[in-house]
Amino acid sequence: GQNIDQPTEMTATEGAIVQINCTYQTSGFNGLFWYQQHAGEAPTFLSYNVLDGLEEKGRFSSFLSRSKGYSYLLLKELQMKDSASDLCAVMDSNYQLIWGAGTKLIIKP
Amino acid sequence: GAVVSQHPSWVICKSGTSVKIECRSLDFQATTMFWYRQFPKQSLMLMATSNEGSKATYEQGVEKDKFLINHASLTLSTLTVTSAHPEDSSFYICSARGDTHQETQYFGPGTRLLVL
Repeated sequence: GQNIDQPTEMTATEGAIVQINCTYQTSGFNGLFWYQQHAGEAPTFLSYNVLDGLEEKGRFSSFLSRSKGYSYLLLKELQMKDSASDLCAVMDSNYQLIWGAGTKLIIKP
Repeated sequence: GAVVSQHPSWVICKSGTSVKIECRSLDFQATTMFWYRQFPKQSLMLMATSNEGSKATYEQGVEKDKFLINHASLTLSTLTVTSAHPEDSSFYICSARGDTHQETQYFGPGTRLLVL
């Protein structure tokens, strides 16, 4: 079966750095996405990785290792507004998105 | 770019009535649109995938006669919840994938449905 694993919840301090891991097992691979969803709102696109390596975009970076079926989302200089659920999703061979359950990130002052 | 709108953002209706939700891509042509449902504190659940001009593909367990999807143009898809019941109360979110950045789905703001 297809499976996306990510931690249920993480807590970090304002101004710090946090890394959210995601491991996956899917039928085929056409890229991995990270989305952010604030409570009561729809998800917003953060990043897309299809090749191995690190993609950096401002305070956010996303890393992919296809051989290990592994990705992480790195958030630097955490702000209170980063409190949200971060969702990992993999596009399979049919170009369907397989969603993880999301990691609830709690930022403390 | 890549803005998706949904209307209405909130709807409250009586049990047994039908509700239509619109999803529009505002600045790109959406060759594929997706409809999701999300219950409180749960993951996104894909309901169906629709391609412009063809019938929607429904996920297992989703009743196609209850959740009618129409994708009549490259910028508009509609979801109609027919004979809504309280258990249909949820957060319905559409997303769209276009002809550029074909991999990425862009989400609408969602529609909260409350069936009394």
